[in-house]
Amino acid sequence: GAGVSQSPSNKVTEKGKDVELRCDPISGHTALYWYRQSLGQGLEFLIYFQGNSAPDKSGLPSDRFSAERTGGSVSTLTIQRTQQEDSAVYLCASSLDSRTGINEQFFGPGTRLTVL
Amino acid sequence: DAKTTQPPSMDCAEGRAANLPCNHSTISGNEYVYWYRQIHSQGPQYIIHGLKNNETNEMASLIITEDRKSSTLILPHATLRDTAVYYCIVRAFGSSNTGKLIFGQGTTLQVKP
Repeated sequence: GAGVSQSPSNKVTEKGKDVELRCDPISGHTALYWYRQSLGQGLEFLIYFQGNSAPDKSGLPSDRFSAERTGGSVSTLTIQRTQQEDSAVYLCASSLDSRTGINEQFFGPGTRLTVL
Repeated sequence: DAKTTQPPSMDCAEGRAANLPCNHSTISGNEYVYWYRQIHSQGPQYIIHGLKNNETNEMASLIITEDRKSSTLILPHATLRDTAVYYCIVRAFGSSNTGKLIFGQGTTLQVKP
């Protein structure tokens, strides 16, 4: 079956512009996660959704970052007034309900964001 | 979640077993050991997890010491396609846990022909 998909695969933007990154999780997966991986940095957690709610936003680096999820499915990560330090690969993962079982996360291919 | 310590890099000959160690000396009783790997330019991929018993699946085996303070991921017959960064992660589960993964620096495994 289809895995986690993300779009666009690559995004180049100018400093100060807003960008939207999209994630389509695996059908039936209620948990959705956003991570990012900067050059030379490890993978860092950004935000967790259970259904349409985001009980853990602790990894969002600033108020320029926001995310939403609609219909318990598609999620959008928005970065406002992008800065060069926002350049990274943004990864989305989904899983079955993480509260009720030891459910593995399936990752998408990521969106490579470059801020000029 | 408990911290983990892994060697930054390892080499392995193709066809031989790759043994990747991980220390997690502060692990709690309700925390599991998880392994993921990330092949270049791809998203991480789940490999295996365990609590206290040794585990085996089609990809790998996981050996956890009796005191649970360390573990070893074993790839029985490494191939060139197993070249990747391997992450050992320890996390708890339950209604109060989000399931988020806290990645360390991992071990870069280079399988050589």
